[in-house]
Amino acid sequence: EVQLVESGGALVQPGGSLRLSCAASGFTLSNYWMSWVRQTPEKGLEWVANIKQDGSETYYVDSVKGRFTLSRDNIRNSLFLRVNSLRAEDTAVYYCARGRFRGGATYFDLWGLGTLVTVSS
Amino acid sequence: DIQMTQSPSSLSASVGDRVTITCRASQGISDYLAWFQQKPGKAPKSLIYDASRLQSGVPSRFSGSGSGTYFTLTISSLQPEDFATYYCQQYRTYPLTFGGGTKVEIK
Repeated sequence: EVQLVESGGALVQPGGSLRLSCAASGFTLSNYWMSWVRQTPEKGLEWVANIKQDGSETYYVDSVKGRFTLSRDNIRNSLFLRVNSLRAEDTAVYYCARGRFRGGATYFDLWGLGTLVTVSS
Repeated sequence: DIQMTQSPSSLSASVGDRVTITCRASQGISDYLAWFQQKPGKAPKSLIYDASRLQSGVPSRFSGSGSGTYFTLTISSLQPEDFATYYCQQYRTYPLTFGGGTKVEIK
């Protein structure tokens, strides 16, 4: 079955860190751009980061630059998001998504169920 | 950043109704526009890309149109399984941005 399964979400204190993981199955991860998108009831859907098939290019939303790092392991069919210096406003459900490159960037044709990150003291 | 504005934010409709949702971009994005459906507790599902191309497996009652700054998603005959929240997303340039969503509810 073609799917993405996220893990690693947790309750963490402000300033803390987490490593989110996304396991891909049913397709060859190395053929696709991959992304993280987060969602809150207040702000809706917010794109977080993209990574090219071979990991040679990464892009981030300004609010996470310098704090989040996106990486991938195509051999293990996995995607990772290292999140540091967490803030209350990073609280969200984080989705892993498969990207299709068109025009200047990507749209998402497959999404995981998400993992919840809660930043609170 | 390109702002995406959806309208309405919610609507009530009956099974069999024709439903149209609009999405406006704050600047021209050509046809680099996607539509998603999301049901509570479920992963978002891709419906349309390149403004009007249907994803594989998506029923033909869904259609998209538009270019530049104005786009629409139409459901020609609303079915019970279509009650959900719909989002648009531009991929003309980074940062990728989404509309605020349109919740389609049962009348």
